[in-house]
Amino acid sequence: GQNIDQPTEMTATEGAIVQINCTYQTSGFNGLFWYQQHAGEAPTFLSYNVLDGLEEKGRFSSFLSRSKGYSYLLLKELQMKDSASYLCAVRGDYGQNFVFGPGTRLSVLP
Amino acid sequence: DAEITQSPRHKITETGRQVTLACHQTWNHNNMFWYRQDLGHGLRLIHYSYGVQDTNKGEVSDGYSVSRSNTEDLPLTLESAASSQTSVYFCASSESTRGSYNEQFFGPGTRLTVL
Repeated sequence: GQNIDQPTEMTATEGAIVQINCTYQTSGFNGLFWYQQHAGEAPTFLSYNVLDGLEEKGRFSSFLSRSKGYSYLLLKELQMKDSASYLCAVRGDYGQNFVFGPGTRLSVLP
Repeated sequence: DAEITQSPRHKITETGRQVTLACHQTWNHNNMFWYRQDLGHGLRLIHYSYGVQDTNKGEVSDGYSVSRSNTEDLPLTLESAASSQTSVYFCASSESTRGSYNEQFFGPGTRLTVL
């Protein structure tokens, strides 16, 4: 079966660092994606990992451990505009389909 | 600029009516997807297509159908709308290029209410 888990909600303070975890059990693996979704809007692509390790992109970094079925998204120097849901998605071995996790709603407080 | 659009953005319909949601992309992507998003469930795949005349069922396809007659469009039809189909519907598209991320690009969504 396919299962992706994320915490439902997180709260952090402006300027702080927050780590959003994602664990997955899927029938295959060909990449893990993180998306950001503001309330009432479409998801937008943030990052992609296919090999183990850390990918850094400005204030956002994403880490992957394939052997543990684990990823995290790290957001540094939090800003109010980072308040959004963060979706973890895994692409399986075949085709281009994604399986999405339930998303983590992050609230950034002043 | 290339984009992906959905119409209508909001729709209210009655139980039993047929409803079609439009999705149009100008990325020239081969892959197109329809999802529904409900509280507590995240994004769930309804149908997908890897090219013209290709359609496949996703995780929650019952009560929905799609057709792909050209690269740009993948309309989603609810044959006989039910209250359980009240949801936000997102269309997405992606490339299928070796060596690329092939991330999915999402349309703005359609909020459908079935009364």
